[in-house]
Amino acid sequence: QVQLVQSGAEVKKPGSSLTVSCMASGYTFTAYYIHWVRQAPGQGLEWMGWINPNTGATNYAQKFQGRITMTSDTSISTAYMELRPDDTAVYYCAREVVRISGSPLGKALLYWGQGTLVTVSS
Amino acid sequence: DIQMTQSPSSLSASVGDRVTITCRASQTITTYLNWYQQKPGKAPKLLIYAASTLQGGVPSRFRGSGSGTTFTLTISSVQPEDFATYYCQQSYSTLWTFGQGTKVEIK
Repeated sequence: QVQLVQSGAEVKKPGSSLTVSCMASGYTFTAYYIHWVRQAPGQGLEWMGWINPNTGATNYAQKFQGRITMTSDTSISTAYMELRPDDTAVYYCAREVVRISGSPLGKALLYWGQGTLVTVSS
Repeated sequence: DIQMTQSPSSLSASVGDRVTITCRASQTITTYLNWYQQKPGKAPKLLIYAASTLQGGVPSRFRGSGSGTTFTLTISSVQPEDFATYYCQQSYSTLWTFGQGTKVEIK
């Protein structure tokens, strides 16, 4: 079955960077976009961007341009997001319904990681 | 960016009530509209994609409709397990956006 397993919770000082990982299993990693979604405590969902694991192409929300970097390692079916968080939030990775070559109407997030809590504290 | 606005932001309902949530886009998104359910401490769950296609395993009491700029999610008879926060999300643009969410609470 499809699984996305994320790295564990982190505590970071303001201004420091970290990398969150998302290990995929149960499907062909290079065939589906991986997206990242942010959720601050008590707040809504915020789309951050996607990566095409096959080509490495990325697309970031304007708000996060220059502040995040998405990468992937196809040899271990893992996506990464490096970020410099300003505040505490949970970060989710997620996979689309359809393959990269599939119908654009299937562009929705079906499988989700468990979330990674990043706490920013001085 | 395409802005997604949900209404109401929250609502109270009794078990068995019909619940309707509206999502409006700042420009046409044809039917590139998805709905998610999220419970506290959990990852979101996809309910409906392409405006009206029910994801496998989702109960048929959930129904999505609309096209263009106005969409609705209807729960025909809300059940105890449906009390959660619901989000719409557009995938028309290469830059996706979510609505702010609608919290469905027990009356």
